[in-house]
Amino acid sequence: AQSVTQLGSHVSVSEGALVLLRCNYSSSVPPYLFWYVQYPNQGLQLLLKYTTGATLVKGINGFEAEFKKSETSFHLTKPSAHMSDAAEYFCAVSSYNQGGKLIFGQGTELSVKP
Amino acid sequence: NAGVTQTPKFQVLKTGQSMTLQCAQDMNHNSMYWYRQDPGMGLRLIYYSASEGTTDKGEVPNGYNVSRLNKREFSLRLESAAPSQTSVYFCASIRLGTGWSLETQYFGPGTRLLVL
Repeated sequence: AQSVTQLGSHVSVSEGALVLLRCNYSSSVPPYLFWYVQYPNQGLQLLLKYTTGATLVKGINGFEAEFKKSETSFHLTKPSAHMSDAAEYFCAVSSYNQGGKLIFGQGTELSVKP
Repeated sequence: NAGVTQTPKFQVLKTGQSMTLQCAQDMNHNSMYWYRQDPGMGLRLIYYSASEGTTDKGEVPNGYNVSRLNKREFSLRLESAAPSQTSVYFCASIRLGTGWSLETQYFGPGTRLLVL
């Protein structure tokens, strides 16, 4: 079975500060890991994903995440927060044998203060 | 190219009423999914369809039925709505096949359902 835990249901940062959203996963097979962003009253948009290969993954809007197998983590970072980054962020896990099904974490709401 | 579309955008039901949520995609994807989103619980898979003509239960299928009408359309039906089904429902699709992880799963804008 697979599962995802996102630490912190709400994170608040100042504009220009580092953004760090934490995600830990559990998987008995090599995981595929995803970060999605959801803006108010919208669907989910893929930020980035890790499947195989390079463990540091770069995504859209300046976000990146690093797959750390030893720590079972896939934390999302951005060096400098922008007001437009305010949204809810979801980490998700899947694998080659899951037929595209995603297991989501509970989400982290990011607020950006001016 | 509209991507994934869902109708209606918002619906209010009384307990016991039935309704069907519609989902369509124009990306020639073979796999489609229905998720529900509840505060503090992320998204949970209700049903999915790996290909036209097949459907399977996800994590929370009770109280729901689905129909994969054709390759484009995947509907979710609530036969007798309950307040516990108040949620935001998202449809998603992906081109599933060997190396599916290289593809992107696209989500619709969601249907907000309130059951009184």
